[in-house]
Amino acid sequence: TQLLEQSPQFLSIQEGENLTVYCNSSSVFSSLQWYRQEPGEGPVLLVTVVTGGEVKKLKRLTFQFGDARKDSSLHITAAQPGDTGLYLCAGGSTDSWGKLQFGAGTQVVVTP
Amino acid sequence: GAVVSQHPSRVICKSGTSVKIECRSLDFQATTMFWYRQFPKQSLMLMATSNEGSKATYEQGVEKDKFLINHASLTLSTLTVTSAHPEDSSFYICSARRDTNSPLHFGNGTRLTVT
Repeated sequence: TQLLEQSPQFLSIQEGENLTVYCNSSSVFSSLQWYRQEPGEGPVLLVTVVTGGEVKKLKRLTFQFGDARKDSSLHITAAQPGDTGLYLCAGGSTDSWGKLQFGAGTQVVVTP
Repeated sequence: GAVVSQHPSRVICKSGTSVKIECRSLDFQATTMFWYRQFPKQSLMLMATSNEGSKATYEQGVEKDKFLINHASLTLSTLTVTSAHPEDSSFYICSARRDTNSPLHFGNGTRLTVT
């Protein structure tokens, strides 16, 4: 089983601050996805990265996929209370079903 | 965009009864659906992969006779928790995709409470 480790597990910051969440594995993934989940709801896809070294930006969110496709980071600039949520990274396997292996998640709380 | 509907959103049942959860892809055909279980403040744990027209593939440690999965059509998969016990109380989430090159879309989950 490919394991994904996320750090930190919990992050509490003030509005306007920056934050970075990390996702690391000893295995290579065909793709890596980031999701945000709010309580009582399913995860919502934020981005998919597939190429080693790839950087994608989504407004104030910047996602990076490591050169070796084993790790990824999510950076939020000038965080807002609406960014509060559980951030999950998920690695795509190379099997025929494309199963996703999820990290443990990082709970982000942004206070006004 | 692609929408996955899960029903019910919440269910409370008594120990020993069975509960069925439905997962529907509303605007696309999903040959594969996945079922996850999530405990409070924890990540999603894959339970099984559901393929239309064939038996589901269960992850290690998941009892296939307890968690019955039926992928009856390209838009519907059901998860039945049989003889539920309080330890089965959890948040169950399904996901679906058109094909392996398409993104995975998640339902809004079902909160199961077994009393």
